[in-house]
Amino acid sequence: SQQGEEDPQALSIQEGENATMNCSYKTSINNLQWYRQNSGRGLVHLILIRSNEREKHSGRLRVTLDTSKKSSSLLITASRAADTASYFCATPQAAGNKLTFGGGTRVLVKP
Amino acid sequence: DTAVSQTPKYLVTQMGNDKSIKCEQNLGHDTMYWYKQDSKKFLKIMFSYNNKELIINETVPNRFSPKSPDKAHLNLHINSLELGDSAVYFCASSQDSTTDTQYFGPGTRLTVL
Repeated sequence: SQQGEEDPQALSIQEGENATMNCSYKTSINNLQWYRQNSGRGLVHLILIRSNEREKHSGRLRVTLDTSKKSSSLLITASRAADTASYFCATPQAAGNKLTFGGGTRVLVKP
Repeated sequence: DTAVSQTPKYLVTQMGNDKSIKCEQNLGHDTMYWYKQDSKKFLKIMFSYNNKELIINETVPNRFSPKSPDKAHLNLHINSLELGDSAVYFCASSQDSTTDTQYFGPGTRLTVL
């Protein structure tokens, strides 16, 4: 099963609204990362939050991490049509920096 | 300038054929990876190389053989292609095997008929 699981699987919002998606994981982590994938493209790293951090911001992105609940959330504020993409959480596992990805949240921002 | 590039972008082939996908990174990174993304968008790591040496080899059929001629290149050769090999294959790189951020290529969509 996936180490990270995103919720919801799909999200449809109007431009200007906020989008929130959640990720749960099973084992202890050093950090958790969020990636974006536009249709037909590769993944782009968005933000990394370490296990000793609770919240991190990057532009219109806000990530939280609750290690006691083994969960993270990604908030996109004031969404734009260009934010339409799939968003994945990922955690590095063991040696070799192996990333284990969740199933992703597909976000559709309607103009 | 493309940081991580893959060729070809699309590959359509018959069952039983042998094919290769090439990956190059110009970031000066030591570590490279191959991931497979299935039709449901699940991404799973297949292999990882650090300075041309294999460090991660997930449970992948031995029909898949990665080759790293130098640390800027990691190619994936697939023998005797099967229908279930149809997927999008992503190459990625990171500064080293302990650095967390990975940089992904655009993907190669493989369709086996």
